[in-house]
Formats: sequence, structure tokens, C-alpha cells
Amino acid sequence: GAGVSQSPRYKVAKRGQDVALRCDPISGHVSLFWYQQALGQGPEFLTYFQNEAQLDKSGLPSDRFFAERPEGSVSTLKIQRTQQEDSAVYLCASSRGLAGIDGELFFGEGSRLTVL
Amino acid sequence: DQQVKQNSPSLSVQEGRISILNCDYTNSMFDYFLWYKKYPAEGPTFLISISSIKDKNEDGRFTVFLNKSAKHLSLHIVPSQPGDSAVYFCAARRGTGTASKLTFGTGTRLQVTL
Repeated sequence: GAGVSQSPRYKVAKRGQDVALRCDPISGHVSLFWYQQALGQGPEFLTYFQNEAQLDKSGLPSDRFFAERPEGSVSTLKIQRTQQEDSAVYLCASSRGLAGIDGELFFGEGSRLTVL
Repeated sequence: DQQVKQNSPSLSVQEGRISILNCDYTNSMFDYFLWYKKYPAEGPTFLISISSIKDKNEDGRFTVFLNKSAKHLSLHIVPSQPGDSAVYFCAARRGTGTASKLTFGTGTRLQVTL
């Protein structure tokens, strides 16, 4: 597709369940970011990939969060043993260049996770 | 610690008038600033940006002003149109190297009324 695609758009999980969120960036985009947006807040950085290399994971809130981009294109954000505080919209963004220079960062529509 | 602050959660402006959205930041290491616009159920889309070496950048109806000494920036929309109704996020970045992640504010919801 033409834009960043994320799936599922909506996910309801029971507390303790594992979830996996998928991001298909724009073809050829080198940089890929994951952000977490809680209700009423701005997006908060989680992790950054340059091709398949995860160069920054300083924003991951706990070791229950894991992200991968094994072939440098599609990325998966996995959350193990979900907690209610994990409820948020998870946004994926990609950029043709390095690290979204000059604002050329394209966001997907997000995956809304609700943990009951 | 909120390094980028948007203290007005909402703003209502009449069509044709000027909309002014404000943003303050605390980290003096930020050197690049961006505004994103977000419609419901969509991801944020890039609107306009400004480097710290400038104090103004204009693109059509949108102008961003940067006051480094006050650590303040603002987005002006003139004239405002109903289609401008959205949530606007201010974001800041430190450096242009790899992993220059964005730090976002909490957003301002703009409502342009007829």
C-alpha cells in the first residue's frame, strides 16, 4: 500500500495475555519507530530501527515489551503478560531517510490495545 | 518530566480568523521542532517544522515561530478553515543523527467553527 499499515486496528486482551502488533512500513523506508500514545497524551517513543538493527530501545517501559524487524521491513511489537496500564494506541512510523530527518516521518493509523 | 508542553488542551476559533497554538519546551538541547496534525482514528501527519537556527518558517496558511530564549514556539493558521479542526501536536528533536526520536506535547484540539 501507499502508507504505513498497522494491524490489528483494535485489540482487546485479558490481563496476562500476550499480544503482537504488526507494522508494515512504506516500502524502502529505512527508519522505523514505535510510539505509545495513552489517552489524552502525546505519543511517547518506544523504540527505533534502522533497517533490521534496533538502535534505540530506551523507551520500552519494561522487559515485557519486545520489538523486532528481522528483515528490515515489517516490524512486530510484542507485549507479554499484558497489564491494564499497557492500554494505549501503539503508533508505528517510518521514514525514507535516517531517523525521520526533516520531519519526513509517516505514521500509521495505530493499533488500539485495551487490556481488561 | 514533560519536556514539551502544550498548556491549552483545546481552542475554538471562528472560520476565517487566526488560530494560534502554543508550545513550550524545557530541554535546551532540542534543535528541531515540528508540528503534527491528527484527525480521529488516523495517525499524525507532518505539518510544518523549524530549525533552531531560524525564528520563523512559513508554508501557505501555516507559520511557525520560534523564540529560543523563551523556549517557546507557536503555530499560526491564517485564515482558519473548518478542515483545520483536528488535534495539533508539537514535537521536538535533539540532533540529526540516528535515533533522533521525537518528544511530543500532549496536543491541542482545535475546533474551527462556521
